[in-house]
Amino acid sequence: QVRLQESGPGLVKPSQTLSLTCTVSGGSFSSADYYWSWIRQPPGKGLEWIGYIFYRGDAYYNPSLQSRVSLSIDTSKRQFSLDLSPVTAADTAIYYCARLFLDDDGNSIFDFWGQGTLVTVSS
Amino acid sequence: SSELTQDPAVSVALGQTVSITCQGDSLRGYFAAWYQQKPGQAPVVVMYGKNIRPSGIPDRFSGASSGNTASLTIAGAQAEDEADYYCYSRGSSGKGVLFGGGTKLTV
Repeated sequence: QVRLQESGPGLVKPSQTLSLTCTVSGGSFSSADYYWSWIRQPPGKGLEWIGYIFYRGDAYYNPSLQSRVSLSIDTSKRQFSLDLSPVTAADTAIYYCARLFLDDDGNSIFDFWGQGTLVTVSS
Repeated sequence: SSELTQDPAVSVALGQTVSITCQGDSLRGYFAAWYQQKPGQAPVVVMYGKNIRPSGIPDRFSGASSGNTASLTIAGAQAEDEADYYCYSRGSSGKGVLFGGGTKLTV
């Protein structure tokens, strides 16, 4: 069974950098079928895709966040990471890591998710 | 357009049929996927592709698509179906993904 687990600080000060890591267990990590993704959800609001990264290191970002986001991946540790900077109170959200699977028919779905981690931006 | 539009809230009587819709230009080129999210939990995919239901999802869930609109239908809604539902699609360029704003279903 594939499991994803987010880790990182739960409190970040405004103007600083939000850094999270997702550790993946089970399944294949270095596969052409998967994009490793970050999604966030402000309290009481909807889902927002942040970006995803391929095992080779190619990354794609939400245009609305592109200037502040960077994703990285370490296949030897089965981990991928998110850096968001500078942050404001509007970045307070539950941050999920998830696996985006592309099937042979071109369909894509987030089939496995982490439990999510709440990150609060406050001084 | 780079957006997916959903009605904010829909209600249905127990045992009745309800459809949740999603509109967006990207749906002309890509099938939608639908995610169910219950309070305090991560979303779970309930439908994707051309009416594909993942293992474990009841067959009362079905999907359809026409033009720029996708729909998720629940035939015989149950109390446990009360949740937020999000549609999802690849972006029109094929790179990136989009989520709809979500529909709160009350049973």
